[in-house]
Amino acid sequence: ILNVEQSPQSLHVQEGDSTNFTCSFPSSNFYALHWYRWETAKSPEALFVMTLNGDEKKKGRISATLNTKEGYSYLYIKGSQPEDSATYLCASPYSGGGADGLTFGKGTHLIIQP
Amino acid sequence: DTAVSQTPKYLVTQMGNDKSIKCEQNLGHDTMYWYKQDSKKFLKIMFSYNNKELIINETVPNRFSPKSPDKAHLNLHINSLELGDSAVYFCASSSTGTGGYEQYFGPGTRLTVT
Repeated sequence: ILNVEQSPQSLHVQEGDSTNFTCSFPSSNFYALHWYRWETAKSPEALFVMTLNGDEKKKGRISATLNTKEGYSYLYIKGSQPEDSATYLCASPYSGGGADGLTFGKGTHLIIQP
Repeated sequence: DTAVSQTPKYLVTQMGNDKSIKCEQNLGHDTMYWYKQDSKKFLKIMFSYNNKELIINETVPNRFSPKSPDKAHLNLHINSLELGDSAVYFCASSSTGTGGYEQYFGPGTRLTVT
């Protein structure tokens, strides 16, 4: 069983500030690391899928980095806006097989305060 | 033009009943999944399935069974429903390949067993 951990569990950030949070995962037998954004009453939406050590991906004000050797990924949000309030999930597939279900972390619940 | 759809959105039923939740995707993906969101809002994989293999999370009771009439559908059938089955169930789909493809989630089905 994969162990995917996220911290912090929740985070309050002032509008306009930048923030980041962490996902840690087993560094052995690594295949991929996913980040999802999950707004209340909606379904999770993919932000990034990263597979290579040193990967850095960006979508607007949100970016993510990946270190597979030490088993962690950071998600950064620059200039937080109220619409960034959501739960951010990271996940990793069980194995490198073709049909991989994801093991999710418990998420970081981000609240942006105006 | 909904990508992943689930029916019903809400399902209220009594203990001991048998029920099904339907899932359809129009993305042309060949892998589909069922996840359960537990009472702590934690997403756990139940099944992943493509036209070649069914991968079952061994912690899922055998009262739960996925049924796939074709590549675009993966229904979840639950026998002898129990109170503890109350949860939100999410269907998802993706392309297949070493876990490096983002998953697209349906809107969820909230199951309440009374």
